[in-house]
Amino acid sequence: QSVLTQPPSASGTPGQRVSISCSGGSSNMEINTVNWYQQLPGTAPKLFIYNNIQRPSGVPDRFSGSKSGTSASLAISGLQSEDEADYYCAAWDDSLSGWVFGGGTKLTVL
Amino acid sequence: QVQLQESGPGLVKPSQTLSLTCTVSGVSISSGGYYWHWIRQHTGKGLEWIGHIYHSGTTYYNPSLENRLTISVDTSKNQVSLRLSSVTAADTAVYFCARQRGYYGSGNARLDSWGQGTLVTVSS
Repeated sequence: QSVLTQPPSASGTPGQRVSISCSGGSSNMEINTVNWYQQLPGTAPKLFIYNNIQRPSGVPDRFSGSKSGTSASLAISGLQSEDEADYYCAAWDDSLSGWVFGGGTKLTVL
Repeated sequence: QVQLQESGPGLVKPSQTLSLTCTVSGVSISSGGYYWHWIRQHTGKGLEWIGHIYHSGTTYYNPSLENRLTISVDTSKNQVSLRLSSVTAADTAVYFCARQRGYYGSGNARLDSWGQGTLVTVSS
């Protein structure tokens, strides 16, 4: 059972905008920033959003992040087939002194 | 460009010790500034943080694994190692090493580089 809560699945058609939510608690998301990772099948997670809203170099600006209190969201606009993947939110947990993750959301492009 | 590569046995017998090495290239662990993590993923499941180490040898472990876990660093070989004792089938997973950039608790902390992962199966 993951510390952060995400919906197990999300879907959209090409060109649509989809959003994936993540909720946490007082020792993680309330006091620390949120990162998002994309994981394609059989590969390692790849950092897509950090510090709630920042995109690493090379990540399309179709991806955006937001956070308020203990909730965060990853939004993908202009959905493309290549966006089909698992997405994980993560935050540093001060009680654990380690990273906590969401259970992952499988994004399907219909 | 930094690269991380996990290596170790793909099959471990129950009750034995799982040992993995993460070889880092493109950056010197001893230069500091980064934290080195182990994370695992059970088949079809989410990510679980195992623990991390700084170049000084300071470690933090997941409490659920702490009594079986040792993470160490060999700066001369630019490697980080993981040892997990008394393994059971529940330890079967893909194990990743990852680099953290940014001080934890700061807004910029993130796992920005990952190894490809290595599958470890615990079975007799």
